[in-house]
Order: sequence, then structure tokens, then C-alpha cells
Amino acid sequence: KNQVEQSPQSLIILEGKNCTLQCNYTVSPFSNLRWYKQDTGRGPVSLTIMTFSENTKSNGRYTATLDADTKQSSLHITASQLSDSASYICVVSAHYNNNDMRFGAGTRLTVKP
Amino acid sequence: GAGVSQSPRYKVAKRGQDVALRCDPISGHVSLFWYQQALGQGPEFLTYFQNEAQLDKSGLPSDRFFAERPEGSVSTLKIQRTQQEDSAVYLCASSLGRLAGGHEQFFGPGTRLTVL
Repeated sequence: KNQVEQSPQSLIILEGKNCTLQCNYTVSPFSNLRWYKQDTGRGPVSLTIMTFSENTKSNGRYTATLDADTKQSSLHITASQLSDSASYICVVSAHYNNNDMRFGAGTRLTVKP
Repeated sequence: GAGVSQSPRYKVAKRGQDVALRCDPISGHVSLFWYQQALGQGPEFLTYFQNEAQLDKSGLPSDRFFAERPEGSVSTLKIQRTQQEDSAVYLCASSLGRLAGGHEQFFGPGTRLTVL
């Protein structure tokens, strides 16, 4: 069973609207949580990295939140643009283990004009 | 270039052929990772190098998969006797330091392998 679950699987919104993507994880112990954006045919690109003690982190129109107690994270996109159309992947790193990164299946976001 | 590069970008192989996929990480990056990404799924870990040492190959799906990084920079993922289920995008990533320490991981564009 995947230890990182993302919802929704896919989402369609109109340009200019906001949206929130969810990530629930069971990875423990926990080191950090990352959100990546993956355009079609490209490799993932890092948006945010949050450690256990961080509750929120912003990168432009992207704001990630983390609740380490409930093991939930969200990625909020403000004033969406057509270029935001991509897959958004949540990745959780286990503590102490450098290569133990658990990837979610991603949320496919489509922004329409 | 400043980023991670991979070649070829696309590879079509007949079932049973051997293939070799190349990854050029960012210069100076110690850690190198290979992932397999099926359509519509997140990447799945294959193997990890720290410099030239392959510290974890637990994600390699079978003994037909082999990876090397002999000089601690360029890496090659080799798949012998390819099967249709090997069709996927193979992503390479590198990082300057430990991911558990919060270092950023940079991905290449991937090689899309199609086995006929």
C-alpha cells in the first residue's frame, strides 16, 4: 500500500481560480515533505520542502501547509494560470534514510481558459 | 548545461533487446537516483548512488536491471532482455547532499522507453 495518498486524482479549474490539493501520508519517522510540479514530458521540479517543524511555506502563488500530527499536507494554488496545468506530486522522506522517499501518484491539474 | 540531462529522450526496443540509458547529473552532486515512472503514476525508486558507490539497489525489479556510476559522475542504467512491462519513463535525479537533510533533488527530463 502506498504510504503517500493524494487527492483528488485529477482536477479541472478555470483560469484565475484557486485550488487546493491534498496529501495524506503514513511514512514514519518523518524527515521532510516536498511538493513537486511535473509538466508533461518533463522531470519533476521542486516547489517546496518542509521539515517537521514547519507549518507553511510559500513559493510565489504556491503555498504548502503541513500538519505533522495528522500527517496531512496541502498545496494551495492562487490565481491559477494556464501554465499551472501539470501533475503535482507529494513526496515524503523517511528520517535518517537518505534514499527513502515515498512518492504519491500525483494530482493531475488542468487549468482551462 | 546547468541541469540534469538524460539520453536518449526516447527509446523504442524490441522485446528481448538490451538497452542503456544515460544520466549526466549536475556537476558536483554526490547523490544520484534512478526512478521508474509508469503512466499516470508517481516515480518508483530503483537505485541510489553516493559518488561511485551503489548504496541501495533494492528497487531494481529484477536481475535484468543493472546500474553503474564508475567515476562518481555519469551513470548508466542498463536493462537486459527487455520485456513489455519495462515500458515506462526512467527518471534520473541528483542532489548535492542528503535528502533527509533537506537538500533539493533535481530531476532530468527522463527517458521514455517503449518495448514492443
